[in-house]
Amino acid sequence: KQEVTQIPAALSVPEGENLVLNCSFTDSAIYNLQWFRQDPGKGLTSLLLIQSSQREQTSGRLNASLDKSSGRSTLYIAASQPGDSATYLCAVDYGGTSYGKLTFGQGTILTVHP
Amino acid sequence: DTGVSQDPRHKITKRGQNVTFRCDPISEHNRLYWYRQTLGQGPEFLTYFQNEAQLEKSRLLSDRFSAERPKGSFSTLEIQRTEQGDSAMYLCASSLVREETQYFGPGTRLLVL
Repeated sequence: KQEVTQIPAALSVPEGENLVLNCSFTDSAIYNLQWFRQDPGKGLTSLLLIQSSQREQTSGRLNASLDKSSGRSTLYIAASQPGDSATYLCAVDYGGTSYGKLTFGQGTILTVHP
Repeated sequence: DTGVSQDPRHKITKRGQNVTFRCDPISEHNRLYWYRQTLGQGPEFLTYFQNEAQLEKSRLLSDRFSAERPKGSFSTLEIQRTEQGDSAMYLCASSLVREETQYFGPGTRLLVL
């Protein structure tokens, strides 16, 4: 079974800290991996997408890495701000006949306090 | 481009009633996805369309659930004879074929009493 797991389930940090969110997946034959942000009661916003052939992607203070061989991805947030508080979800697309069908982790709830 | 829209945003219904949700994708996006998200969990895939064709349905989609996308534009998701276990956020997303990024709508939160 293709499963995606995120650790930790929740994280609380003071403003300004750098932090790492972890995502692991059981089947390494992925097509791509995406990180999303979800604010309470809202839909999802795509943050970064890493193709299976890539090792990392960067956008502003966000950096996502991918290690297919170990089945892991990390999302690094630099200089965290209270506005970064949200749930962060990783999702794997296994491609092939399942192309476009995303398998999500359960999310990490991030709280950045002033 | 106004993004993906969903209607209604909230729905409260009694067990046994039928409900229908609508999703309007981003214009010209030919792929449309439905996901379900329960509290504290990530979204789970339900079904998706490419244009008007429904290409895959999850085992989560029991025979009480039906989805349509007439003319390849908006989509509807109907739940018949609702059960309390159907209470969840129903999310719609759209994308272009061969562009992997999916754009999500705000969701419809369903509460079955």
